[in-house]
Amino acid sequence: DQQVKQNSPSLSVQEGRISILNCDYTNSMFDYFLWYKKYPAEGPTFLISISSIKDKNEDGRFTVFLNKSAKHLSLHIVPSQPGDSAVYFCAASDNFGNEKLTFGTGTRLTIIP
Amino acid sequence: KAGVTQTPRYLIKTRGQQVTLSCSPISGHRSVSWYQQTPGQGLQFLFEYFSETQRNKGNFPGRFSGRQFSNSRSEMNVSTLELGDSALYLCASSSQGGDTGELFFGEGSRLTVL
Repeated sequence: DQQVKQNSPSLSVQEGRISILNCDYTNSMFDYFLWYKKYPAEGPTFLISISSIKDKNEDGRFTVFLNKSAKHLSLHIVPSQPGDSAVYFCAASDNFGNEKLTFGTGTRLTIIP
Repeated sequence: KAGVTQTPRYLIKTRGQQVTLSCSPISGHRSVSWYQQTPGQGLQFLFEYFSETQRNKGNFPGRFSGRQFSNSRSEMNVSTLELGDSALYLCASSSQGGDTGELFFGEGSRLTVL
């Protein structure tokens, strides 16, 4: 049973436009969410996180939105750059600092120059 | 400072064999977690060690085991390998006191079982 779902395996976006990556979860106990980016032959790297007490967190070009009632979060990248081409994983845990993360299956983002 | 280091990076084994993977966390990090990544399954949590004690465990069979040493280095072992164990095994460390709760991942050990 996939508790964290990323229903779009891939997404292509024109350079300079907004990239929106979506993630849904089913476990009501999740209250901390993270996004990781992964390039080929490298380990995932942390991008941004959000606690369930917030509905938005921003860091430069990256913004994560959380809709708890819908059990949905999204990552917005504005403007998209070629270096953003990677696989993006959504992850959730039942509390901040818990190393047991439940990951989605990832979305491959391709930025078209 | 140096990142998370995993060895070996690539290895090929046959069914029935066993394998040991090693992970050196970032200096000062006492928590080490292991994840398995397979196509279509994302990353799945195997276990987490803190101060040489397993603190959390995922839903994997007993063939998957691990340990942590006093210097925080960790090893994971898979016995009686099956074809389905072919995967990228990722190790991550954390500082337990950071302000983002993030895990720092190594580049992984890619295991192929023939």
